[in-house]
Amino acid sequence: DTAVSQTPKYLVTQMGNDKSIKCEQNLGHDTMYWYKQDSKKFLKIMFSYNNKELIINETVPNRFSPKSPDKAHLNLHINSLELGDSAVYFCASSQPGHSYEQYFGPGTRLTVT
Amino acid sequence: GDSVTQMEGPVTLSEEAFLTINCTYTATGYPSLFWYVQYPGEGLQLLLKATKADDKGSNKGFEATYRKETTSFHLEKGSVQVSDSAVYFCVLNNAGNMLTFGGGTRLMVKP
Repeated sequence: DTAVSQTPKYLVTQMGNDKSIKCEQNLGHDTMYWYKQDSKKFLKIMFSYNNKELIINETVPNRFSPKSPDKAHLNLHINSLELGDSAVYFCASSQPGHSYEQYFGPGTRLTVT
Repeated sequence: GDSVTQMEGPVTLSEEAFLTINCTYTATGYPSLFWYVQYPGEGLQLLLKATKADDKGSNKGFEATYRKETTSFHLEKGSVQVSDSAVYFCVLNNAGNMLTFGGGTRLMVKP
């Protein structure tokens, strides 16, 4: 059973396009996250949702819009893609109180050409 | 704010060598500390954790001890294998939803 899943695994698109990445967790966790990992493997949190409500919104361009239809899903929509958006995007989930360890999805490699 | 500093890689070792990856942190209060591992092409997996001072986390032959006096959480393994080749992240959580990541250390183990 996959705990945290993301689709697609790879996404190649042109500048200016709009794309979405989907994330689902079957762990029953209340909190979900989106991270961006750059080419040097540095990880930066983008957003966090707790039970469908936004609780962390780091300095991210407003071209990025997370959407949580229910607490098991957190999707990431990106408008007007730019070359600098090329990265690996990871979804994660956690349950507050469980020493805050997070469970990560396999990642989505986005390439903007 | 909180921060985590870990040694830059890559670290290249021969199989069965001893591994140490240094990690130090800066934080107020009493954070929990983690090591996550990222194998090629995969997401991050929790390797081990320690939630209070002097705790030792261990898993798959890896160990790390939470040292509050030196604000460190160094990762060690007595005998590495080729399959241990990955990127290792030292991570801190200070009683909230945000994790603070170190920059990652790439380990390459040669046969």
